[in-house]
Amino acid sequence: AQKITQTQPGMFVQEKEAVTLDCTYDTSDPSYGLFWYKQPSSGEMIFLIYQGSYDQQNATEGRYSLNFQKARKSANLVISASQLGDSAMYFCAMREVSGGYQKVTFGIGTKLQVIP
Amino acid sequence: DTGVSQDPRHKITKRGQNVTFRCDPISEHNRLYWYRQTLGQGPEFLTYFQNEAQLEKSRLLSDRFSAERPKGSFSTLEIQRTEQGDSAMYLCASSALGGGPEPFNTGELFFGEGSRLTVL
Repeated sequence: AQKITQTQPGMFVQEKEAVTLDCTYDTSDPSYGLFWYKQPSSGEMIFLIYQGSYDQQNATEGRYSLNFQKARKSANLVISASQLGDSAMYFCAMREVSGGYQKVTFGIGTKLQVIP
Repeated sequence: DTGVSQDPRHKITKRGQNVTFRCDPISEHNRLYWYRQTLGQGPEFLTYFQNEAQLEKSRLLSDRFSAERPKGSFSTLEIQRTEQGDSAMYLCASSALGGGPEPFNTGELFFGEGSRLTVL
């Protein structure tokens, strides 16, 4: 089974609108972390936001928020007030802590295009 | 510190040749990861080091791939007898053990700019 599932290959959003990028995950570990990364066309991976499995509150970082629904095993990224510079690939990732080892697994990504 | 650096940034080689990539992580980071990324895909986990110990290696990684991290500092990824299917971007990332107990530190991965391999 896929550890991280991103079902939206591509998304379009109007500038200044909000957009939600979907991510579901699969793990049996009680403690894990969830990340979102942005990869512009230039190629660098940029960390956006983190949610720990024990965190009670949804994480927020500026215009980014993570809608964490633990029972559903989903960790959707919400970008508010989209900007042209938000056009990029977005990857959801999960860190599992098992036996002291850490492995971070990425999804296949969602390509977001912001329309002026 | 200028972040994670990788060398070379681009490598073109002929099938059957050996190639080696180097990664210099952020100096205080004890964890180092190698990933492979092909066009339109997410980063695929290859291997993970905590200090100098290689703690996990992907089952997808053939015996032609080997990685080391001597002294827990820089790391090298060697591909022997390259094949055209090895053409990809090889990404290195490092992370720190956070200030708090697991799992409460974020330990986000800081990525280098990648080493792009083209096998002809």
